[in-house]
Amino acid sequence: QVQLQELGPGLVKPSGTLSLTCAVSGGSISSDSWWTWVRQSPGKGLEWIGELHHIGSPNNNPSLKSRVTISLDKPKNQFSLKLSSVTAADTAVYYCARVVAGRAAARIIYYFDSWGQGTLVTVSS
Amino acid sequence: DIQMTQSPSSLSASVGDRVTITCRASQNINTYLNWYQQKPGKAPNLLIYAASYLQSGVPSRFSGSGSGTDFTLTISSLQPEDFAAYYCQQSYSTPPYTFGQGTKLEI
Repeated sequence: QVQLQELGPGLVKPSGTLSLTCAVSGGSISSDSWWTWVRQSPGKGLEWIGELHHIGSPNNNPSLKSRVTISLDKPKNQFSLKLSSVTAADTAVYYCARVVAGRAAARIIYYFDSWGQGTLVTVSS
Repeated sequence: DIQMTQSPSSLSASVGDRVTITCRASQNINTYLNWYQQKPGKAPNLLIYAASYLQSGVPSRFSGSGSGTDFTLTISSLQPEDFAAYYCQQSYSTPPYTFGQGTKLEI
């Protein structure tokens, strides 16, 4: 069973860049899956940030505009998130997850089947 | 973006109760709807995909139904470990994936 673990600093200064890595074990990052980031502000709901497949271009949440960069590191079997120009509003628990394509009747549906435990990132000076 | 609205936002129930949570999409999403459970301090956990398909390992007391814009998650007989937050998510039109605001199930 695939396992994911988020790594990175828990404190980032305003206007800086948030950088997180998700280490994947028990499965290959080059498999036919998408790799994604989701965040959850304190006491709030879930917000999808973006995703990347080992073949193809990334998809990002338009609400975050061009601040998001997601990349894969195949030799290390991990993927990363960079979020630039952060403000206090970016303070959240950040989760990495795997997106898989499941089959339901004649349809293909995507869902998030494996998650990291999450890491709290605080934006503060 | 497709907006997902859950009701109620919070719900008080007792062990053994039958509970239903509702999720409404702002447009037709067919059955491209997933449900997740999140316990405090933990990551979300997939319960149901494609509106009604039970994820492997999830107890059969959980069930989902609906299509189009209206969906329900039902827990047939609440157990102590079911007290958590529940989120719906659409995967019909992405990006972005969007989640409901959550339903907190409390004792």
